[in-house]
Amino acid sequence: NAGVTQTPKFQVLKTGQSMTLQCAQDMNHNSMYWYRQDPGMGLRLIYYSASEGTTDKGEVPNGYNVSRLNKREFSLRLESAAPSQTSVYFCASGVADTQYFGPGTRLTVL
Amino acid sequence: DAKTTQPPSMDCAEGRAANLPCNHSTISGNEYVYWYRQIHSQGPQYIIHGLKNNETNEMASLIITEDRKSSTLILPHATLRDTAVYYCIVRVYNYGQNFVFGPGTRLSVLP
Repeated sequence: NAGVTQTPKFQVLKTGQSMTLQCAQDMNHNSMYWYRQDPGMGLRLIYYSASEGTTDKGEVPNGYNVSRLNKREFSLRLESAAPSQTSVYFCASGVADTQYFGPGTRLTVL
Repeated sequence: DAKTTQPPSMDCAEGRAANLPCNHSTISGNEYVYWYRQIHSQGPQYIIHGLKNNETNEMASLIITEDRKSSTLILPHATLRDTAVYYCIVRVYNYGQNFVFGPGTRLSVLP
């Protein structure tokens, strides 16, 4: 039981490049989330998916798109990366009142 | 969701109890108090939550004042591995909704 897994662990992009961050969970949770955490800051929600087939914007959705591919997988796409998107990205899945977080993806945009 | 206020940092001696305070004076009757922590560079970890009664689990105890305007997370015997940022979050129990994480309290457990 791996919990929440994220790939890649590290990524460096140039401004304007695109990429997709992958997230998968094996806990059969309906809800999944993408957060970002900037240095010295708390987490901020980018997008979430309350159930398979639905997605909703969070606090900071601009510059991102998401896909809830199935119940297990929730991907985050940066279409044209900008230096302001340099951050650590956490995926989470949830059941009832508890969210379980992945190990994070450290993204640097040059 | 109600706003929370936490001290930015605290120290605690190893083996002693760590008491982390949180103020939430505008909490509503249907809002829960949740605690998460984040150990360096890892994803946040759920600790405990409660509505109005005190709660205890294998990790910690949560004490909520009678007026519910403040709470305290207690780690009974802090270890070096408890060094982390601790987040107090107040929100309505809402399946599928997000948590809003503020800056939290950086707890340093000292040898």
